[in-house]
Amino acid sequence: QQQVRQSPQSLTVWEGGTTVLTCSYEDSTFNYFPWYQQFPGEGPALLISILSVSDKKEDGRFTTFFNKREKKLSLHIIDSQPGDSATYFCAASNTNTGKLTFGDGTVLTVKP
Amino acid sequence: EAAVTQSPRNKVTVTGGNVTLSCRQTNSHNYMYWYRQDTGHGLRLIHYSYGAGNLQIGDVPDGYKATRTTQEDFFLLLELASPSQTSLYFCASSDAPGGRGEQYFGPGTRLTVL
Repeated sequence: QQQVRQSPQSLTVWEGGTTVLTCSYEDSTFNYFPWYQQFPGEGPALLISILSVSDKKEDGRFTTFFNKREKKLSLHIIDSQPGDSATYFCAASNTNTGKLTFGDGTVLTVKP
Repeated sequence: EAAVTQSPRNKVTVTGGNVTLSCRQTNSHNYMYWYRQDTGHGLRLIHYSYGAGNLQIGDVPDGYKATRTTQEDFFLLLELASPSQTSLYFCASSDAPGGRGEQYFGPGTRLTVL
């Protein structure tokens, strides 16, 4: 049973457009939700994270939204740039445990 | 800045071979993790550790052993490698449990089992 589902698997947007990635999760005890960004040939790196006590967090062009009732989260990238082309992973955990559960990732391509 | 290094960066072995992947972090982090990354499966946790001598089982541990010899060093052992273990392996460290802390990832080791 996959605990964190991510969609779409891949996405292409034009430069300047808005990118929306979504995730859903099963475990109602999850309360920490980070998004990781991975460029080819590199390890993932933390992009933005949110705790379940919040419903929105912004960091520049990146915003993550959290809906506890629906067990869903999303990542919005405004004014998408070719440099944003990467694989994006959502993840989830309970802050009392030692591990993250990752989604399968979304490959984002931003065309100039 | 957080620093996690992995060696080797690439490894080719044969079925039944013995492989050790190494990870070192210089962040003074207590928590270290081994993941494998496969197309269509994202990152899956193999083993993790809370500190030297500690080992926790992850979500896909079969066929893998791990050992944390010091705070800095975490090793992943494949004693009878199989083609299904062909994958990209990442090590990560954090200063808080995975549920709370940012994980810093190494550059990865690409393992091919023929």
